[in-house]
Amino acid sequence: ETGVTQTPRHLVMGMTNKKSLKCEQHLGHNAMYWYKQSAKKPLELMFVYSLEERVENNSVPSRFSPECPNSSHLFLHLHTLQPEDSALYLCASSQETGYSYEQYFGPGTRLTVT
Amino acid sequence: QKEVEQNSGPLSVPEGAIASLNCTYSDRGSQSFFWYRQYSGKSPELIMSIYSNGDKEDGRFTAQLNKASQYVSLLIRDSQPSDSATYLCAVNPDYSNYQLIWGAGTKLIIKP
Repeated sequence: ETGVTQTPRHLVMGMTNKKSLKCEQHLGHNAMYWYKQSAKKPLELMFVYSLEERVENNSVPSRFSPECPNSSHLFLHLHTLQPEDSALYLCASSQETGYSYEQYFGPGTRLTVT
Repeated sequence: QKEVEQNSGPLSVPEGAIASLNCTYSDRGSQSFFWYRQYSGKSPELIMSIYSNGDKEDGRFTAQLNKASQYVSLLIRDSQPSDSATYLCAVNPDYSNYQLIWGAGTKLIIKP
C-alpha cells in the first residue's frame, strides 16, 4: 500500500444519487489529482490541486465537483451521474520539486452507476 | 495533439529473459518520463522516472531515454512471473507542470 488512501473502495450508485469519494495522502505532498480510468483507455486527468488551489480542470462535466479543504485531503462529489461514468477513480499526489512531479496513486474507487 | 503511444500487446516473454517495453511521444519539449506498473484490478505503481538522455538502472529495471528520437523504453532483466502486469508510460509535457500524458499501456506476460 502507498501513502495515499481512498474510500470507499467500491461504490454502486443510481443515476439520481449523490455520493462523495474521499482521498487522503500521508506523504507530505502539496499537489493532489483526480483521474478516471476506463477499460482500454489511457488515464484521464480530471482535476489538479496545488497548495489547495485548483490548477487544472480538464473539461470535466459539472456532475463531478472536487473539493480540497487542505493539502492532505481531496474529495470528489458526485451527482446525477450517467452509466458511462462507471470507471475506476484514482487519486494521486505529488511533491513539486524542480522539474520532477512523480505522482503516487491511491488504490482507487471502483464506481458503478446503475 | 500531444500523444504517447505504446504497443498494447500482450507481450509474452519467457521467465528469465529480458522484457523490452517501448514508448514514443509526440511533444518534443517533454522533460520528464515515467514508467508505471499496474496489476489487474490495482492502481498504477511508479517504478522508474527518467529525465535525461541515456540509461537509468534500478535493480532489474533499466529505463532508456532518447529525446532526439522521442522514445523511452523499459528493460526488465531476469523476468519473473510476478512482473506480469500492464506497464504504463507517462510523459510530462512542457506546457504544464502537473499534466502527464499517458499511454494506454502494454500488457506483459511472463511465462514460467
